[in-house]
Amino acid sequence: QSVVTQPPSASGTPGQRVTISCSGSSSNIGSNSVFWYHQLPGTAPKLLIYNDNQRPSGVPDRFSGSKSGTSASLAISGLRSEDEADYYCASWDDSLSGVVFGGGTKLTVL
Amino acid sequence: EVQLVESGGGLVQPGGSLRLSCTASGFTFRSHYMHWVRQAPGKGLVWVSRIESDGSRTDYADSVKGRFTISRDNSKNTLYLQMNAVTDEDTAVYYCARELASGYWGQGTLVTVSS
Repeated sequence: QSVVTQPPSASGTPGQRVTISCSGSSSNIGSNSVFWYHQLPGTAPKLLIYNDNQRPSGVPDRFSGSKSGTSASLAISGLRSEDEADYYCASWDDSLSGVVFGGGTKLTVL
Repeated sequence: EVQLVESGGGLVQPGGSLRLSCTASGFTFRSHYMHWVRQAPGKGLVWVSRIESDGSRTDYADSVKGRFTISRDNSKNTLYLQMNAVTDEDTAVYYCARELASGYWGQGTLVTVSS
């Protein structure tokens, strides 16, 4: 069981807005930056959000991150079929002295 | 262009050893933390280890502590992961990555532990 918890699945229709949650604790999300990745089958993860809410260059502004206390969220607006992928949150954990990943959320575009 | 290329994966017997390498290019390797992250078939991402830019500090996941050793040779722009006493639970694609905020990951190398 992951130290950081994500819902195993999420879904939406094209054009919709969906959010994916990431719940942690004071030793990780509550005191360190949150990162979000998406991953297509057979490929390396791609960074979507860093430092809670910053987008790397090239990531569309349809993707946004937020954090409150020990929880974080990834929002995807204007959902597209190509957004169908696995999404992971991650953060450093001060108690474990290591990075913790959420278990991943499989997003389905209906 | 930043590139991270892993190598050294393959089939290893339970209890055996393997050394993975990650060759970096396109950036000043000696200035950056580096990580190893793994993903078992059909499973999620799991962090394995991290090494500071000059190699002075290393951190490990509990699942590999005492069995795996991360190291680097900044003169060769290469990151290593020495894997000892492997079990079938170590079967995974192993990715090297620059610090998490960078977004730079390699393509991964598959390690299969099986007799």
